[in-house]
Amino acid sequence: QKEVEQNSGPLSVPEGAIASLNCTYSDRVSQSFFWYRQYSGKSPELIMSIYSNGDKEDGRFTAQLNKASQYVSLLIRDSQPSDSATYLCAVMRSQGNLIFGKGTKLSVKP
Amino acid sequence: ETGVTQTPRHLVMGMTNKKSLKCEQHLGHNAMYWYKQSAKKPLELMFVYNFKEQTENNSVPSRFSPECPNSSHLFLHLHTLQPEDSALYLCASSQEADRGLNTQYFGPGTRLTVL
Repeated sequence: QKEVEQNSGPLSVPEGAIASLNCTYSDRVSQSFFWYRQYSGKSPELIMSIYSNGDKEDGRFTAQLNKASQYVSLLIRDSQPSDSATYLCAVMRSQGNLIFGKGTKLSVKP
Repeated sequence: ETGVTQTPRHLVMGMTNKKSLKCEQHLGHNAMYWYKQSAKKPLELMFVYNFKEQTENNSVPSRFSPECPNSSHLFLHLHTLQPEDSALYLCASSQEADRGLNTQYFGPGTRLTVL
């Protein structure tokens, strides 16, 4: 089982819709979770971090964490074409190292 | 602009060349990281330095040699690379490497092509 799993996509949503990106992880003791956005040819850019069960909202982005199910998700409301990118889920091990998923490619169609 | 810079941004080298990648962070962080990103693979952690001490070597071949002279600078020395080493090499930094709540910030990366 991979440590961090994401559906590679592509996930295609129309402009204005909600995009839902999902991630599961295998290490039960993980405490810190991150979503990065990576545009083609660019480096990862931090969008959200979440540490506690429940929802965390920042503008159009909402991260959701369920440690019992080992599941973390990212919702993007009112999706824009500029949101088209690959979204990387990252889980921090207890010693502080990040483990990344392969990423989900999101395409927002005008 | 994340406060982490990398040079060069692009590098083409032959298998017999020796080159170095440079990373500098202006965030006052104490931990620095090298990652490799290949097509269709997750980001792979290569090395971790915490307060200038190497704390992680993720089974990286010896043709990659890191150097961390101080908390702000990190180098990756390359020699006798193989074509399969062609990838995007990313540097990141965080406040510390051994605390679970740290957030890592990435530099723009060096796109390496080995001929």
